[in-house]
Amino acid sequence: DVKVTQSSRYLVKRTGEKVFLECVQDMDHENMFWYRQDPGLGLRLIYFSYDVKMKEKGDIPEGYSVSREKKERFSLILESASTNQTSMYLCASSLGDTSYNSPLHFGNGTRLTVT
Amino acid sequence: DAKTTQPNSMESNEEEPVHLPCNHSTISGTDYIHWYRQLPSQGPEYVIHGLTSNVNNRMASLAIAEDRKSSTLILHRATLRDAAVYYCIRTNYGGSQGNLIFGKGTKLSVKP
Repeated sequence: DVKVTQSSRYLVKRTGEKVFLECVQDMDHENMFWYRQDPGLGLRLIYFSYDVKMKEKGDIPEGYSVSREKKERFSLILESASTNQTSMYLCASSLGDTSYNSPLHFGNGTRLTVT
Repeated sequence: DAKTTQPNSMESNEEEPVHLPCNHSTISGTDYIHWYRQLPSQGPEYVIHGLTSNVNNRMASLAIAEDRKSSTLILHRATLRDAAVYYCIRTNYGGSQGNLIFGKGTKLSVKP
């Protein structure tokens, strides 16, 4: 089974701190994604990556950046955390087939609280 | 805009079949239908997907209407562990993969 591992289950940070959320997948998937999930708003795509060193903005990239130096690892960076970034962050991966139809495999999420 | 419509909640009894409906009346010819579910305190989990034909796997069956404007996820025998939020999603062939728009889904409760 595909395993997508997020480095922290819970994280508490202060406003203005730089925050790193790490995600590792073990199935050699080309595609990796970062979502945030908020009550009433569902899942929203922040950034995704089709390949190493490649990134694409999703629907809500403001205030975030990403890094993909290795195929198995995709990092989400909050340059200066703010309270409105308190949320559940979900990482996912999938095969890079050309049909854009491969299922997403999600991690269990990181619940970030910014105080 | 999730572009799919699902009931907010449904209830089922344990060991009975469950039919979860999804309306996607504006679907285009190349959009696949994916279903995911999310158990409490976990990330979403892929369930099944299809394009035109009905599909079966070990978790569920997917029945797609002939006009593709609606589909139904079928859990053949609900268990307590099937209690989750179920999301019906259209994927856009050739578009930005991963930009799946998750709506609010259907919260399924299973009674013993």
